[in-house]
Amino acid sequence: EIVLTQSPGTLSLSPGERTTLSCRASQSVSSSYLAWYQQKPGQAPRLLIYAASSRAPGVPDRFSGSGSGTDFTLTISRLEPEDFAVYYCQQYGSSPTFGQGTRLDIK
Amino acid sequence: QVQLQESGPGLVKPSETLSLTCSVSGGSISSYYWSWIRQPAGKGLEWIGRFYTSGTTSYNPSLKSRVTMSVDTSKNQISLKMSSVTAADTAVYYCARDGMAGLVNWGQGTLVTVSS
Repeated sequence: EIVLTQSPGTLSLSPGERTTLSCRASQSVSSSYLAWYQQKPGQAPRLLIYAASSRAPGVPDRFSGSGSGTDFTLTISRLEPEDFAVYYCQQYGSSPTFGQGTRLDIK
Repeated sequence: QVQLQESGPGLVKPSETLSLTCSVSGGSISSYYWSWIRQPAGKGLEWIGRFYTSGTTSYNPSLKSRVTMSVDTSKNQISLKMSSVTAADTAVYYCARDGMAGLVNWGQGTLVTVSS
């Protein structure tokens, strides 16, 4: 099983700031199968990024993904109030797994 | 736009079988992968398994012995059965359309509580 470790666990930032979330895998993940999701309280997760760096339809261009092998990042270039949420990475190969999540709080 | 809706009993007794249905509207369920994911209150996401409408399945190794997924193409529904449930299976259960672009469409989720 591929274990995904996200860091930091919690991040407190202000609107307008830039942030980078990390997702590290216990073994190499094909970039074609790495996704990022955003989840707000009481809602289902929403796909943001797939194939490590492709934005899902309707996702603002302030969200970007990068990385390969075992290290992947999600960058939000300028935080908007609606971006404060929990973010999960997922490898969706033959036996998918999720990271434990990064909570992004308003400072 | 594909929409998914989970349904099923909100309360299941320990040792019994949890049965959920995911109804898909706005598109055919054929020729797609479909996954079930769960989330205990206040915790992270756990992938349960994936089903392709040809019958191919892939399950989380930790749940494999208790999980069965199937499809009813005439009703455009996917089902999940999980046997021998315990309190640890209490969670919000989601269905999602799966594929090369990850979990693209999600249902709103349904809370299942395991309690006597």
